[in-house]
Amino acid sequence: DAGVIQSPRHEVTEMGQEVTLRCKPISGHNSLFWYRQTMMRGLELLIYFNNNVPIDDSGMPEDRFSAKMPNASFSTLKIQPSEPRDSAVYFCASSPQGTGNTIYFGEGSWLTVV
Amino acid sequence: QQQVKQSPQSLIVQKGGISIINCAYENTAFDYFPWYQQFPGKGPALLIAIRPDVSEKKEGRFTISFNKSAKQFSLHIMDSQPGDSATYFCAVGGNTGKLIFGQGTTLQVKP
Repeated sequence: DAGVIQSPRHEVTEMGQEVTLRCKPISGHNSLFWYRQTMMRGLELLIYFNNNVPIDDSGMPEDRFSAKMPNASFSTLKIQPSEPRDSAVYFCASSPQGTGNTIYFGEGSWLTVV
Repeated sequence: QQQVKQSPQSLIVQKGGISIINCAYENTAFDYFPWYQQFPGKGPALLIAIRPDVSEKKEGRFTISFNKSAKQFSLHIMDSQPGDSATYFCAVGGNTGKLIFGQGTTLQVKP
């Protein structure tokens, strides 16, 4: 089975540009998560969805960040406008709904904002 | 407020030695305690997990020890191998299904 698929794998963009990261979760998984990883802050949960509905977006840094899940097989994380401090690895992950279920991570989108 | 505190930040162990990484949490509502392993350029992957109804779980060379009263749990890697060199994250989860991760421990196993 295919795992969580993220695109692009690497993105270099200029400050002020819009960035869109994409994710296809594992088929049949009800929950989808967006995490951000940096050296300073580790793995931070930005937002998660259950059954395509955003449940907790308290980790979204500011209004420049937005996430959508229009259907069970696709989600986007958008940054507009991007800033150098947004440089990080962004992970999408999915899991079957409920506590105690393994969360499966994609390989990440490496974002550099110059 | 940091809900999960992980230590040490980095660890160097000789091949064949025991690697020990510790985590402490604050909220007693958490009921799922996994450890994730991450290799460079890859996403984290589940290594082993425990529920609070048991104090220890072993899978091969990897053991989780859990102390509910102290709100602490630890990962022990026996007979550490160079291939175990990676970053390890503890995490805590509750009935929401989401996980909150510790800061990570970079393990280097020297041949």
